Amino acid sequence: AAGVIQSPRHLIKEKRETATLKCYPIPRHDTVYWYQQGPGQDPQFLISFYEKMQSDKGSIPDRFSAQQFSDYHSELNMSSLELGDSALYFCASTRGKTYEQYFGPGTRLTVT
Amino acid sequence: AQKITQTQPGMFVQEKEAVTLDCTYDTSDPSYGLFWYKQPSSGEMIFLIYQGSYDQQNATEGRYSLNFQKARKSANLVISASQLGDSAMYFCAMREANRDDKIIFGKGTRLHILP
Repeated sequence: AAGVIQSPRHLIKEKRETATLKCYPIPRHDTVYWYQQGPGQDPQFLISFYEKMQSDKGSIPDRFSAQQFSDYHSELNMSSLELGDSALYFCASTRGKTYEQYFGPGTRLTVT
Repeated sequence: AQKITQTQPGMFVQEKEAVTLDCTYDTSDPSYGLFWYKQPSSGEMIFLIYQGSYDQQNATEGRYSLNFQKARKSANLVISASQLGDSAMYFCAMREANRDDKIIFGKGTRLHILP
């Protein structure tokens, strides 16, 4: 069965650079969630989209923005990167308000 | 306030033994869902089991079962006949119905299965 796809899987950036993370949900899934997991930490919710509209917002820095496109894929844009942005970024998708969120493999971002 | 509490930062268990990972939660929402996820060293987040707040029976999925004690706000994960491949970080998580659908995670328990 198709799973959530995230690209790239690994990304190395320098401080103050920008990064774009992409998420392709499972086909027919219309809701996308972004989570950030710092080293040794639990995942923290960043932002979610339902039917291309922002649904909920968590502890997402103002330097970050995200959107969901007409084909339901989502992109997380991160500017003025800081060392503390180094983390594993997960995307998860669901269909409507179903209980189970299917997680992608994550993008490991390293800021040097 | 911490919504999900996992009091065991790490556990060591002999292969083939059963293991219980503790999880307590806090919510005033009568409708919520509880999850357990497994995160191996490779990093992916693997869904294991789900329990709804209105479910009458404890959830089971193969070797995984969830010991749901609603009055105590407890949702422990039981893994029967542990295997070496069960070594991983395990997260308990909750979704509250009136707080959209984001999942709140506990701090996790790192499980080590010993041969």
